[in-house]
Amino acid sequence: QSVLTQPPSVSGAPGQRVTISCTGSSSNFGSGYDVHWYQHLPGTAPKLLIYGNTNRPSGVPARFSGSKSGTSASLAISGLQAEDDADYYCQSYDSSLGAWVFGGGTKVTVL
Amino acid sequence: EVQLVESGGGLIQPGGSLRLSCAASGFSVSSNYMTWVRQAPGKGLEWVSILYRDGQTYHADSLKGRFTISRDISKNTVYLQMNSLRADDTAVYYCARGVGTFEDVDFDYWGQGTLVTVSS
Repeated sequence: QSVLTQPPSVSGAPGQRVTISCTGSSSNFGSGYDVHWYQHLPGTAPKLLIYGNTNRPSGVPARFSGSKSGTSASLAISGLQAEDDADYYCQSYDSSLGAWVFGGGTKVTVL
Repeated sequence: EVQLVESGGGLIQPGGSLRLSCAASGFSVSSNYMTWVRQAPGKGLEWVSILYRDGQTYHADSLKGRFTISRDISKNTVYLQMNSLRADDTAVYYCARGVGTFEDVDFDYWGQGTLVTVSS
């Protein structure tokens, strides 16, 4: 069980907007540590999507956006496309564990 | 261009040892955080170890001291020494570059991963 909780799956039709939640606690998000998001397709290298809560690396489409408030964070994908069908992970640091932690992952299915 | 290439995975018997390598290009491993993350079959990503720029290392408590991360600056390569391997260490092991300050680190470049299978 990860200290960062994500829904196992979300789905949406092409063009729709989906959001993925990531619930933390006082020892990670609540302590001010940032949330970062990754996209992972099986058999490939994970890809950084959002860093520092809201920032997109160069080359990541603007339809990906991140937010964080209190002990929760979320990733939104607007204008869902077929290529967004993948696993998504949130990541942060937990001071109680003294470890970098990932959420359990969310499978996004484009219907 | 930043690239990370892992090697050294394979089939190993329980109790055995293995050393993974991560050859970096396009940047210096001594100037960045470097980390190992693994993904067991059907599971999510799990952080394993991190190496700070100043040489400090940290490992997941669950590994109970069996794994050690290190680097060879002359070869621009990071290693993961894995001892007393168990079946639940079976996973794809990814090397990644870390960016940030102290604990607030994100991982901006990743390798393709190397598969470690622990089985008799």
